[in-house]
Amino acid sequence: EVHLVESGGGWVQPGGSLRVSCVASGFSFSSDEMNWVRQAPGKGLEWVSKISGSGNTIYYTDSVKGRFSISRDNAKNSLYLQMDSLRAEDTAVYYCAREKYCGGDCYPAGSWFDPWGQGTLVTVSS
Amino acid sequence: DIQMTQSPSSLSASVGDRVTITCRTSQSISNFLNWYQQRPGKAPKLLIYGASSLQSGVPSRFTGSGSGTDFTLTISSLQPEDFATYHCQQSYSTPFTFGPGTKVDIK
Repeated sequence: EVHLVESGGGWVQPGGSLRVSCVASGFSFSSDEMNWVRQAPGKGLEWVSKISGSGNTIYYTDSVKGRFSISRDNAKNSLYLQMDSLRAEDTAVYYCAREKYCGGDCYPAGSWFDPWGQGTLVTVSS
Repeated sequence: DIQMTQSPSSLSASVGDRVTITCRTSQSISNFLNWYQQRPGKAPKLLIYGASSLQSGVPSRFTGSGSGTDFTLTISSLQPEDFATYHCQQSYSTPFTFGPGTKVDIK
């Protein structure tokens, strides 16, 4: 069974740092792109970052560029999000999600998030 | 960035009702549109990918349609376990964006 488990959330003061992790099982981790998506309390979903299977290609949403860093260790089937200079508005549940990609002759073309982990709560507050 | 809107933002319905949720994008995204269901306190779950393909294990009462900028998620006969929030998401380009969500609750 394909499974993702996040950890590392907690409380941190504004300006502080935290690293959240995601351990994958049940699939060939190094073959798939991985993403972080967050959800502030009572709000919608916000995509944060993605990383290619090799780790060579990385994207971020503008609001975290220069503060967050995504990485992966394929030998450990693990995904990470290092969060520095944290702000109150970064308070959210952070989900990791595998991105399934279908391209070329594959139908339908595109990508989607499946599965998602259970999430880990990050609270930034003084 | 591609902007996403959903309507309605919430709705009340009864078991057995037919429910339709609309998602619109600020530019054409072909069929690069996915739908997720999120029950309270749980992670999102993939329902529909590529605008109209049903994810394995998802009941056939869920259907997706549309292309370009206008998309629809339909639940043909609402069941008790379907009371949840539904999110659309575009995978046409980064930054990937989600709609604000549609909460379906019990009438």
